[in-house]
Amino acid sequence: GDSVTQMEGPVTLSEEAFLTINCTYTATGYPSLFWYVQYPGEGLQLLLKATKADDKGSNKGFEATYRKETTSFHLEKGSVQVSDSAVYFCALSSYSSASKIIFGSGTRLSIRP
Amino acid sequence: GAGVSQSPRYKVAKRGQDVALRCDPISGHVSLFWYQQALGQGPEFLTYFQNEAQLDKSGLPSDRFFAERPEGSVSTLKIQRTQQEDSAVYLCASSLALKETQYFGPGTRLLVL
Repeated sequence: GDSVTQMEGPVTLSEEAFLTINCTYTATGYPSLFWYVQYPGEGLQLLLKATKADDKGSNKGFEATYRKETTSFHLEKGSVQVSDSAVYFCALSSYSSASKIIFGSGTRLSIRP
Repeated sequence: GAGVSQSPRYKVAKRGQDVALRCDPISGHVSLFWYQQALGQGPEFLTYFQNEAQLDKSGLPSDRFFAERPEGSVSTLKIQRTQQEDSAVYLCASSLALKETQYFGPGTRLLVL
């Protein structure tokens, strides 16, 4: 079945450091890929998405590129801020699972001032 | 405008009790989803409604779990004879239509003692 595997946390970085959170997926067909973020005490929010191969999703300085050849959707940010501290979830929605989103287990990110 | 709201935000139940969790989706959203998020894990799909029709309930873990959306708006997730393994955050999400962006509520944290 469809699945998402992402980098285990926690990840702790200093402010202004470069961030990469790895994500790979298994799916039939051509899934849509997402990164969701959960800030402390808040609900899940869509951070960015990409719907086809080679698409790049971007938002708030974060980027991720849909790589079909490596079945990956790694999240990157050039310079993180303390306010980026949150839990990040990689996720997919595929034709075969169109009614649901399949999430990875989440990566907790903490940024030191 | 108003987002997805859920009530109660926290629920403590004794093992064997029945609980009912409410979700108010964004006005006009046709699709409504329920997810279960265990501690330290990503959300897992439970069930999905298109208007009042429950089109997919493949994720419901047992026949103790029941969901309804009788008028195609508010939805209730009911858990009968709660067990300790039911302790989790229950998330509701809504979208304008299937395959559109899902917007998540803050969740109901259920603790079964």
